[in-house]
Order: sequence, then structure tokens, then C-alpha cells
Amino acid sequence: EPEVTQTPSHQVTQMGQEVILRCVPISNHLYFYWYRQILGQKVEFLVSFYNNEISEKSEIFDDQFSVERPDGSNFTLKIRSTKLEDSAMYFCATRGPPNEKLLFGSGTQLSVL
Amino acid sequence: QKEVEQNSGPLSVPEGAIASLNCTYSDRGSQSFFWYRQYSGKSPELIMFIYSNGDKEDGRFTAQLNKASQYVSLLIRDSQPSDSATYLCAVSLTDKLIFGTGTRLQVFP
Repeated sequence: EPEVTQTPSHQVTQMGQEVILRCVPISNHLYFYWYRQILGQKVEFLVSFYNNEISEKSEIFDDQFSVERPDGSNFTLKIRSTKLEDSAMYFCATRGPPNEKLLFGSGTQLSVL
Repeated sequence: QKEVEQNSGPLSVPEGAIASLNCTYSDRGSQSFFWYRQYSGKSPELIMFIYSNGDKEDGRFTAQLNKASQYVSLLIRDSQPSDSATYLCAVSLTDKLIFGTGTRLQVFP
């Protein structure tokens, strides 16, 4: 089965630094999402992205967060100035047409020190 | 606040038994319902989805949906030690999934 690829698998950064998390969606998928999971907590929706614009975002997705698909393949999540509470596993998820299943990438573990 | 509630467990069942996992949701506008399996440190993996009231079977798994009671369940027949994982209930609302905290299932030999 095709896979959603995320890089890096682990990212350690200092508080206040910028990080970029990368995702390579499945080739014919058009809908892209970022979710995060703080250790021991539930998976939380951050943002959805379709047709090169944000479709929906959660309260978590504040001005420190941004997403883009710069080259038509990679889908990125940028955190401009990381905080300790941004430490979490970040999952990219993608799907094809509506009602197709959502496939998750393997995740990026972000640790903010 | 749109909520999805699950018992965190752990739910312990012997190998070969039926495991029953339950989930309730608060928003009656929810349209689609999903069960994901998540092994520790890994990403969620879709097991089942259901849209209509009633039962849906796929191999050893059966999803049950009761929209009037806002209740979704997952039955795992002939449970195996490899089924030991956290099972996440998720509900779609607009274009996003709302997840529960998950139920940890332990299947012992």
C-alpha cells in the first residue's frame, strides 16, 4: 500500500527556534492534514489544506503555525517560534476524494527544550 | 465543545475471546465514524469505518453504530496478543476527525 512519508522522524530544538516538518503525500491525494498528539493524550486536529489553501484550522493552529505546499509535492508545517508545549508527535495525513480513507504518516516526534 | 468519549482501560481479555470497545460522541451532526488502532509510538492505522446505523463486519472486526444513542462500538472476535494496542474512536465533523483518548486493549495468552 502507498505510504505517507514524514521527515525527520525526530526533531530536537531549542525553545524559540523555528522548525519545519515535512510530509510527502501519496501522489494522487489532494487533501492534506496535520494532527498532533502530546504524549499520553488524544490525537488533535491542527489544520486541513486543499487546493493550495487552508480549509479549516483549530484553535491550536495560531499565528506561530503555517502550512504550505511549496513545490507541488512536499507538504510542510512550520512552527515559527517553538514553545515547550509544542513538544508532541506530529502526524501528516492525506486522502484522495471525499469518503476515501485518511492515511497517516509515521510521524515526527518534536522535542522542544 | 465537540467530544468523543472512550474508557481509557486497560481492557484485558484472554486470547480467543471477544473484545468489546465502546465510544460515545456529543455532536449529532457527525456523519462518519472510524476505529483506528495505534501501537505505542506509532501512527494511527484505520481498521474500520461506518456511516449508517447497524453493523458492519470485516473479518474479525465488527463496527456497530447507533446514531440515536450517539454510540459506536467495535467488536474484535478471536482476540490475539497482536491485537494488544490502543484503539481510537474518531468522528468526522466537517473535514476533520475528532478523536477520543483511546482504549488500551491487552490480550493475554
